[in-house]
Amino acid sequence: EAQVTQNPRYLITVTGKKLTVTCSQNMNHEYMSWYRQDPGLGLRQIYYSMNVEVTDKGDVPEGYKVSRKEKRNFPLILESPSPNQTSLYFCASSVTGNYNEQFFGPGTRLTVL
Amino acid sequence: AQKVTQAQTEISVVEKEDVTLDCVYETRDTTYYLFWYKQPPSGELVFLIRRNSFDEQNEISGRYSWNFQKSTSSFNFTITASQVVDSAVYFCALSADNYGQNFVFGPGTRLSVLP
Repeated sequence: EAQVTQNPRYLITVTGKKLTVTCSQNMNHEYMSWYRQDPGLGLRQIYYSMNVEVTDKGDVPEGYKVSRKEKRNFPLILESPSPNQTSLYFCASSVTGNYNEQFFGPGTRLTVL
Repeated sequence: AQKVTQAQTEISVVEKEDVTLDCVYETRDTTYYLFWYKQPPSGELVFLIRRNSFDEQNEISGRYSWNFQKSTSSFNFTITASQVVDSAVYFCALSADNYGQNFVFGPGTRLSVLP
């Protein structure tokens, strides 16, 4: 089944404790992206990757890191989480670029205390 | 800069009513794509439609239809004979750059269809 998976689905952590949210897709997509969803703001892009070893900042990259060592994986790293990073996070992938339909993962709800 | 406005924060209708969700966008690019996604209460994001800036034909898919008007920078979504299962948050989105940046979502419209 073609899908984007994220882990964990739910996470409660404390300020400053490094965490990683994994994202994996099995569709051989070149493009992957991370978004955060906050009430009243829709989804905002954090980082994106056009291909392996190619990543770039989206609209709200502060406090986040990503890596793309393999085509299928695109982890999101919060080195020192803060309460304002409490949000619902979505990973997405598409064949290539923004013009194509993006397939979204199920979301990760993160709470930073 | 790109921007997507969905002025209707929440809409409630009774089952079988028709409902239109508004989407107004801003971009200076001549080539762009518009999207609608549905987010049901379960939380996943479901792709509904993609339309490019050179194709102003309206589209109908079952009870769903989309009206794209470049003259008013709008891409409205109509659900005919709404059903309870249509209850969801609907997002309009704009992509004006195929190279990763400038994919912008609107704030969403929460649609509640009451039985």
